[in-house]
Amino acid sequence: GQQVMQIPQYQHVQEGEDFTTYCNSSTTLSNIQWYKQRPGGHPVFLIQLVKSGEVKKQKRLTFQFGEAKKNSSLHITATQTTDVGTYFCAGPRSSNTGKLIFGQGTTLQVKP
Amino acid sequence: NAGVTQTPKFRVLKTGQSMTLLCAQDMNHEYMYWYRQDPGMGLRLIHYSVGEGTTAKGEVPDGYNVSRLKKQNFLLGLESAAPSQTSVYFCASSYSQGPYEQYFGPGTRLTVT
Repeated sequence: GQQVMQIPQYQHVQEGEDFTTYCNSSTTLSNIQWYKQRPGGHPVFLIQLVKSGEVKKQKRLTFQFGEAKKNSSLHITATQTTDVGTYFCAGPRSSNTGKLIFGQGTTLQVKP
Repeated sequence: NAGVTQTPKFRVLKTGQSMTLLCAQDMNHEYMYWYRQDPGMGLRLIHYSVGEGTTAKGEVPDGYNVSRLKKQNFLLGLESAAPSQTSVYFCASSYSQGPYEQYFGPGTRLTVT
């Protein structure tokens, strides 16, 4: 069945270092969404990418959608302690019901 | 706007007991979802609803039932709780038109002993 995989599962960085998480889908996606979940919190929508090769930036966060629309990445430049949390990518399931399939998430820890 | 709210926030059940988790949203969203989150497994869809009076199964529906009698509410029931249902449960909602960005509630942490 349809799968969305994320790597790495965990990442520890020193504050100021860069961080990247990768998302790979077993099927072509019409769009991909990214969510952030702070420790003890709930997932919060960050962004959606729709076009092949699309790149979007939010301050220090850069999101990219692959040319084949089967992979995506989130890159954080110069991490800060406020970046701590788990980042999930999610793609739509085949049916048009709004259902998403989530990756397992990448948990980022930042050492001050 | 409160967004998506969930009650209760925490609950401890004994094996075999039943309970209902309540989700409410005030954004007039058509679609609502129940997920469970377990370490290392991301968010897995239990049941979902595309409108008042409709429900459908997700990835992991066994042991759960749902009802959507009112558009703003989505109830998740556990008829006979099992330790394997120890998890954090999130409710979410979205519009019926794309991009289907989902808004999540704060979650319910359930422990079954």
